[in-house]
Amino acid sequence: GAVVSQHPSWVICKSGTSVKIECRSLDFQATTMFWYRQFPKQSLMLMATSNEGSKATYEQGVEKDKFLINHASLTLSTLTVTSAHPEDSSFYICSAREIQTGTYEQYFGPGTRLTVT
Amino acid sequence: AQSVSQHNHHVILSEAASLELGCNYSYGGTVNLFWYVQYPGQHLQLLLKYFSGDPLVKGIKGFEAEFIKSKFSFNLRKPSVQWSDTAEYFCAVSPTLAGNNRKLIWGLGTSLAVNP
Repeated sequence: GAVVSQHPSWVICKSGTSVKIECRSLDFQATTMFWYRQFPKQSLMLMATSNEGSKATYEQGVEKDKFLINHASLTLSTLTVTSAHPEDSSFYICSAREIQTGTYEQYFGPGTRLTVT
Repeated sequence: AQSVSQHNHHVILSEAASLELGCNYSYGGTVNLFWYVQYPGQHLQLLLKYFSGDPLVKGIKGFEAEFIKSKFSFNLRKPSVQWSDTAEYFCAVSPTLAGNNRKLIWGLGTSLAVNP
């Protein structure tokens, strides 16, 4: 149980275009999902916290107009990188927190590798 | 500011050696503590967690960690490592603050390489 999927697993796009990444909790409901960015050989950087039915909370330094987050249901959150630039190339990881158990444990998706050319 | 410090950035061991990875955090209140592992090319997986109770917690694959509140530490241990333990290990802390969304504060990670 507690499986989180991400789609796509990797994407290449041209500079100036937008890319949407989906994060789904497959077998549980998640009121909260988190979006992270991971650089090679580095730790995870929290970008934003996504709560179902409300606006996302962005971490300091993260442009909310560039990284659009939508959490429309208890099993789906999306991250859209708008007007992507090469510096946005990174590994994006989502996690989902199960609400039933109350343990606040986060389950992680496999990540999406974004390359902007 | 809340932070998590992992003392060892790179660790190289031979199989059957014992492992201890240090993790300290800076926060005076109640916390939940986690160790995650990321095997090469794979996603993050939970190794073990501490919420309350016995400060010595056992996780998967023979790992354990001990929460020492007075030292703000949550060190990860394994008595005998295997080549398959080669991975990145991340310590994470979640302050139990109201309205904090229980977000995780991450250490920078420790890269463990186990030589066969």
